[in-house]
Amino acid sequence: DAGITQSPRYKITETGRQVTLMCHQTWSHSYMFWYRQDLGHGLRLIYYSAAADITDKGEVPDGYVVSRSKTENFPLTLESATRSQTSVYFCASSGTGNQPQHFGDGTRLSIL
Amino acid sequence: QKEVEQNSGPLSVPEGAIASLNCTYSDRGSQSFFWYRQYSGKSPELIMFIYSNGDKEDGRFTAQLNKASQYVSLLIRDSQPSDSATYLCAVPTSGYSTLTFGKGTMLLVSP
Repeated sequence: DAGITQSPRYKITETGRQVTLMCHQTWSHSYMFWYRQDLGHGLRLIYYSAAADITDKGEVPDGYVVSRSKTENFPLTLESATRSQTSVYFCASSGTGNQPQHFGDGTRLSIL
Repeated sequence: QKEVEQNSGPLSVPEGAIASLNCTYSDRGSQSFFWYRQYSGKSPELIMFIYSNGDKEDGRFTAQLNKASQYVSLLIRDSQPSDSATYLCAVPTSGYSTLTFGKGTMLLVSP
């Protein structure tokens, strides 16, 4: 089925480890986004991408790395995880930057 | 200065009542507005969008846009307990190809 999928759904890791969250969409949307959602802060944009090989920082990019070698994939990497990065991470996509975004089911990440 | 403001709630309404959710935004040039519903533990789901002044109706949902006053509302008629969720307002971010989300209003519909 077409859609946007995130993996893993749940992840527990330790501080200092590298962890990669995956996002895959089948709509051929140009734009893809990564958000984190924390109580009291709402959805905060980490990084976004307008097309393959084009990425831009969002509101809270520090400590995260993204890449987009293929239109359909937009992985998010925490190079050295910290406890403050414990959060729920959502990937989203849209046809253009200002069109409605469609969200994946999210990844709940806990860093011990 | 927050670009999108919503009352965090919770907004409590009895079953069958009209729930009114409001959102104000700061960018006068905004052309499109989106409402998302997010159930606890789930991802945001698009339920309405509106581009022009006035009302847009979709089933029990009505989005109302007033550009002069810079607010957009979501009305839910005949509220059901299944409407209990957090409702997020989103507006295109000025100067960027992204959306800015409000923090959301929690709606509780009691049977």
